[in-house]
Amino acid sequence: QKEVEQDPGPLSVPEGAIVSLNCTYSNSAFQYFMWYRQYSRKGPELLMYTYSSGNKEDGRFTAQVDKSSKYISLFIRDSQPSDSATYLCAMIMAGGTSYGKLTFGQGTILTVHP
Amino acid sequence: DTGVSQDPRHKITKRGQNVTFRCDPISEHNRLYWYRQTLGQGPEFLTYFQNEAQLEKSRLLSDRFSAERPKGSFSTLEIQRTEQGDSAMYLCASSQTRDGELFFGEGSRLTVL
Repeated sequence: QKEVEQDPGPLSVPEGAIVSLNCTYSNSAFQYFMWYRQYSRKGPELLMYTYSSGNKEDGRFTAQVDKSSKYISLFIRDSQPSDSATYLCAMIMAGGTSYGKLTFGQGTILTVHP
Repeated sequence: DTGVSQDPRHKITKRGQNVTFRCDPISEHNRLYWYRQTLGQGPEFLTYFQNEAQLEKSRLLSDRFSAERPKGSFSTLEIQRTEQGDSAMYLCASSQTRDGELFFGEGSRLTVL
């Protein structure tokens, strides 16, 4: 079993829809949680970075962390065709030499059609 | 452009050949990471450096793989005796602190024929 599980999709939604992306993890040592967006043939770019349980909002994006359930989510409101990309969740364990080492989910392919 | 730079962007080689990738991190970043990404998968950690010291290596990094970061600046990732299973995107990232944001380069895509 992978440490981080993410539904690969693909997910196809109409423009303007609310998108929900999710990841579960098994290791409670993960303390920092991120969402990256990756366009085709490009490197990942950071969208959201959270530490504590709860919600964090940035424009149309909301990241949610539930450490008790080992579950994180990313919501995209008013989705746009330009949001079409692969969305990767990623996590970092705190402490030791692994500090800073990201463990990624598989990525969810999202297509927003006009 | 002051982002993470990787070279070459795409390398096609024959099985058994050696290849080397270069990464230039953001100048003030002391941490540098290498990841590998295969089609349909998320990036997988290979190794990372703090300044010139290589602090951790994944078990994915077989003895055919070697990474260096001389003088704590740019880094190279060399793959010897390439195999078809080495075909992947090799991503480099850098960060300023141990819990800081990782900035990724656009990757070096390797195709082994």
